[in-house]
Amino acid sequence: EVELVASGGGLVKPGGSLRLSCAVSGFSFSSYNMDWVRQAPGKGLEWVSSINGGSTFRFYADSVKGRFIISRDNAKNSLYLQMNSLRAEDTAVYYCASHGSGSYSPFDYWGQGTLVTVSS
Amino acid sequence: SYVLTQPPSVSVAPGQTASLTCGGNNIGGKNVHWYQQRPGQAPVLVIYYDRDRPSGIPERFSGSNSGNTATLTISRVEAGDEADYYCQVWDNSSDHPVFGGGSKLTVL
Repeated sequence: EVELVASGGGLVKPGGSLRLSCAVSGFSFSSYNMDWVRQAPGKGLEWVSSINGGSTFRFYADSVKGRFIISRDNAKNSLYLQMNSLRAEDTAVYYCASHGSGSYSPFDYWGQGTLVTVSS
Repeated sequence: SYVLTQPPSVSVAPGQTASLTCGGNNIGGKNVHWYQQRPGQAPVLVIYYDRDRPSGIPERFSGSNSGNTATLTISRVEAGDEADYYCQVWDNSSDHPVFGGGSKLTVL
């Protein structure tokens, strides 16, 4: 059974940092591209960042570029998101998700999400 | 960047057919994926590559894509189909994924 379990969310002050984790099981983690997608309260889905299986390619939304860093540890089947210089507008539920290596593939597996609240 | 437009809300009576649209410039030339998100839950893939269904998704869910509009069709709508639905494509210019704003399906 496929399972993605996100953790690490919480309350942080503006300008602070937080590291999210996503533990994956049930599929060949190293073969999949992995992503973070967020959803602000009452809003729609917003893609945040992607990383390929070998960590040779990393992509970021303009809204987080220069502040967030995506990484993965294939030996631990884990995905991470280091979030720095956090702003109020980063408040959201953060989902980890996978998408296959095929061209323009869908997000086939999603974690349950972890809530990040940026507030003083 | 590429923009996807979805109507904020769609209402349908039980047993009827719901058509949820996703508009974009020449979206017919792209691969469209659809996700269902029930309240308090993570999104679930319901249609991929315009019209394919993942295992476990009922045949009542179907998709089409042509011109400037992609459509998710839900036949014989049930109360359990009430959810937010998001379309998604990949923006060729940036290689980034793009989501529509979502449509809330209400079953009357």
